[in-house]
Amino acid sequence: NAGVTQTPKFRVLKTGQSMTLLCAQDMNHEYMYWYRQDPGMGLRLIHYSVGEGTTAKGEVPDGYNVSRLKKQNFLLGLESAAPSQTSVYFCASSIRTGGPNTEAFFGQGTRLTVV
Amino acid sequence: GNSVTQMEGPVTLSEEAFLTINCTYTATGYPSLFWYVQYPGEGLQLLLKATKADDKGSNKGFEATYRKETTSFHLEKGSVQVSDSAVYFCALSAHGSSNTGKLIFGQGTTLQVKP
Repeated sequence: NAGVTQTPKFRVLKTGQSMTLLCAQDMNHEYMYWYRQDPGMGLRLIHYSVGEGTTAKGEVPDGYNVSRLKKQNFLLGLESAAPSQTSVYFCASSIRTGGPNTEAFFGQGTRLTVV
Repeated sequence: GNSVTQMEGPVTLSEEAFLTINCTYTATGYPSLFWYVQYPGEGLQLLLKATKADDKGSNKGFEATYRKETTSFHLEKGSVQVSDSAVYFCALSAHGSSNTGKLIFGQGTTLQVKP
């Protein structure tokens, strides 16, 4: 079972470069999320999507863009990378629900270093 | 706003010791509460959850009780094993019409269990 797959797993960027992180899920989930994980700060929500063609800002959206052209994919873009964006990025997905008690399924993460 | 606070780590225990990781939250209304675990090099996975006051979530010998009066959701295990070494995250998901399954995480607590 693939679940949530993130590519790439590791990447080193120079300041000012751009890149796209890809998240793919095979569980037919409506909701998808991008989080970043930083030491001592837990995970913080960057952007999320409640369905194909929709996106919304999370807690820390600045410097990132996202797209959800297909239900199974959620892309996170960095147009001009900065050292402050050095982090571990996690994608997650969950089913559409009328309540908040639904489990989120996470990918294995992408470790990004901006030098 | 909603927030989650966890005890700072790292926590180092000997095998078969009793584990408690404290978690308190601030939220409007009655959120759902979760514990996620992150094993080395992996993404997060749900350990247990509770969706209303006095609920007890349990899994793999871990337990946590949703305490509304103290706004707490402490994680406990009676006898830890080396394989329990991981980072543990407390999280909440708020109820309400705007809910989209977004999670708010604590900062994470690293547990190291020594043989």
